Parts: sequence; structure tokens; C-alpha cells
Amino acid sequence: KNEVEQSPQNLTAQEGEFITINCSYSVGISALHWLQQHPGGGIVSLFMLSSGKKKHGRLIATINIQEKHSSLHITASHPRDSAVYICAVEKGGATNKLIFGTGTLLAVQP
Amino acid sequence: DAGVTQSPTHLIKTRGQQVTLRCSPKSGHDTVSWYQQALGQGPQFIFQYYEEEERQRGNFPDRFSGHQFPNYSSELNVNALLLGDSALYLCASSSLTANHYGYTFGSGTRLTVV
Repeated sequence: KNEVEQSPQNLTAQEGEFITINCSYSVGISALHWLQQHPGGGIVSLFMLSSGKKKHGRLIATINIQEKHSSLHITASHPRDSAVYICAVEKGGATNKLIFGTGTLLAVQP
Repeated sequence: DAGVTQSPTHLIKTRGQQVTLRCSPKSGHDTVSWYQQALGQGPQFIFQYYEEEERQRGNFPDRFSGHQFPNYSSELNVNALLLGDSALYLCASSSLTANHYGYTFGSGTRLTVV
């Protein structure tokens, strides 16, 4: 079992829909990241969380440390939101290893 | 405050050649980690550099080597390139001397081996 699991793996939505992507992890963490990657593109950092909730534009990220779960929400989705969304956790400890989820491929149709 | 800078953004190499990728960490960060992301897969850990030494290494062959300079910037070298080395190479910086909180990611270098 992967230490970081994302769901769903693939998601298709209609423009304007509210989207939720989930990330569950099984290890203790010091921080959690949500990253975005457009097809053929590089990585863009969306959020870094250690507790609570953050909002940036139409994007909202929440984390529940006790339940070891985080969600990324996109309100009023748009075709330009189509990308792979990746959850990554920092394990802390002596080396603070990063562990990546396998990503969620989101397609928003006009 | 500049984030993580990687160069080049894209490059094309021929099988058997050697390549050097570069990463400048975020100001105040002293640790650089390198990842390889093959098409359709999540990033895989290559190695981490701190105090100019390799601290950890993932499951990559010796063809993959690195270096960290006194200014904390880092290079990733790949020798005898294979077609399978085509990937996005991602650099992330952090601070092990300050606290363990907060990786910053570069946008990556896309390497194509032909």
C-alpha cells in the first residue's frame, strides 16, 4: 500500500462544476503540498499546509491531521484547470523525505 | 525572494551522451533533492544533497550523479543516456538546519533522449 493515496485517479467534469480531489496518507507528516502539472509542463506549487485551510482564488485546500486526510477543491471549474494534481507529504524526521501521490488527472470540458 | 530555479527548461540529447541539469535553491535553503518523473508516473526520488554531500539516494544507477556547491546550488549529471531517461527532472529545496517545514519546488527540466 502506498504511503500517499489520491482519489480519484481520473476525473472528468463539466465547466462550472465544483471539484474535489482527495489525498490520504499513512505516515506522520510535517507538511503537505498540492502541486499542479499541465500536460507536458512543469510543476507548479499550489499550496503547502500543516493545518487548517488555505484559499487562493478558486482553489481551496484543507487538511485534517487527525484523520490524515487532505482535500483540494476547485470552485467554478474551467477548462484551463485541466491538469494533473499531485499530493506530496513531508515526512519530517532527520531527512524530511518527500513522498508523492500518483496524481489525479482532471479534465474539465466546456 | 526567488524560488527554486532550474535550467535549462527543456533539452534534447542523443542516446549515449551526457547531460548536466542545474538547480538553484530558494534563498535560505541548504538542501536540494532531485526527482525523476517519467511520463504518466509520479516523481521518483533520485538523491538529496546537504552540506555538499549526498545524504540519501533512491534506486537509481551510478550513471546518475550529483554535486552541491558551497552556495547550495546543485547539479544532476546523467552519463550514457538511455531512451528511458527521458523525463521531467524536478528539483526541490528545503532547509535541514532551520526546520523541516517547507519544500519549495522548481518547475522542472524536461529531458528528451532520442
